[in-house]
Order: sequence, then C-alpha cells, then structure tokens
Amino acid sequence: QQQVKQSPQSLIVQKGGISIINCAYENTAFDYFPWYQQFPGKGPALLIAIRPDVSEKKEGRFTISFNKSAKQFSLHIMDSQPGDSATYFCAATQGGSEKLVFGKGTKLTVNP
Amino acid sequence: NAGVMQNPRHLVRRRGQEARLRCSPMKGHSHVYWYRQLPEEGLKFMVYLQKENIIDESGMPKERFSAEFPKEGPSILRIQQVVRGDSAAYFCASSLLSGDYEQYFGPGTRLTVT
Repeated sequence: QQQVKQSPQSLIVQKGGISIINCAYENTAFDYFPWYQQFPGKGPALLIAIRPDVSEKKEGRFTISFNKSAKQFSLHIMDSQPGDSATYFCAATQGGSEKLVFGKGTKLTVNP
Repeated sequence: NAGVMQNPRHLVRRRGQEARLRCSPMKGHSHVYWYRQLPEEGLKFMVYLQKENIIDESGMPKERFSAEFPKEGPSILRIQQVVRGDSAAYFCASSLLSGDYEQYFGPGTRLTVT
C-alpha cells in the first residue's frame, strides 16, 4: 500500500519557469514532510521540510505548501535552473516512528 | 568529510553469494537507517538501528537479510544467498537524535547480482 502518492512522474520546465511537484498522503498521523533531491549516482539530499502546524515554508527558491485538510503538500521551485535537474522525492513520517515513507519520485528536467 | 560514508560504492555478486554493505554515520550521529531503492522507484525503509540495538526492522525481508550496528565500527547490512531480485541501490542514512526526523543519506551501494 503506497502511503505517499507523488505526481507528476516527470516534468520538463524551461529555465526561469516554476516547477511544481505534488504529493498526497493517507496517514493523518504523519507530522513531518521532507523533500529530497537526488542526482544520478548520488544519495538523496535533504532539501526542505515542513511540519503541519504551518501552511508554507520558503527557503531561497524552494517553497513547500501544505494543505492539512486535503492531506496534500507540494514543492515549488521558482526561477528553475538547469542545475535543478534531478529527481525529487517527497516523504513523510510520524512521531514514534523513525522511518520515512517516500513517494516514487519526480524526474525534473530544466531546459536552458 | 563529515558526511555519511558507505562502502563499497558498487558491488557485484553471483547468485548464492553473500553481500556485506557498510555504513559509517555522520560524526556524532548514533541513529542509522537502511533503505533500498529499486530502479524507477522511491526508497523503501528496511531497518532502523542504534548502537548495539535494532529498533525497527519492519521493512526487512524475513529471510537472508540482517543488520547490525556494533558499539565500535560501521553498521553492516548483510544479505545472504543473494538472488537477482536483490539488485538495487542500498542507502544508509543517519540522524543525530531520535525523533529529530532529519536523516542524512550516504552515496549508496549499488548491488548487482549476476
């Protein structure tokens, strides 16, 4: 049973555009939602994370929007750059459990 | 380099052999997690360990797989009698505190079973 559904599977954006990746979860006990960035042949790198007590968190060009009632959260990459081309994973976890539950990933390509 | 270290980076084993994957957590981190990533898939949790203790192994296959994190030395993920379906990237992550949630990943070990 997939607990975190991520879309789209792939995304192509022009340089300077906005990249938007969406995730939906089922478990209402989840209380921490990180996003990871993974380049080919590398391990996932923690990008930004949010807890459900806030609706938005921004770090530089990266913003997480969180909708608790809809059980959805999304990653927005503003002014997308070719160097942002990577696979992005959303994840979720809950207090008392240390395991991250990952979405299947979105392969982002930013064309120059 | 204070990051999570994994070795080997690439491992080739024939069916029936044993695979040993090593993970050294970030300096000061005493919590280690192992995840498996199949091609075109997200990461799947396998096991969570603290020094000398297995805390959660709910994602570990019941047979052939084991993990340890001894008092001294790296964490080891051991796969006995490997099969082709074990071919995957295995990632280790570490965190500073229980409940900290911030897990930092190593570069992974890519296991190929021939």
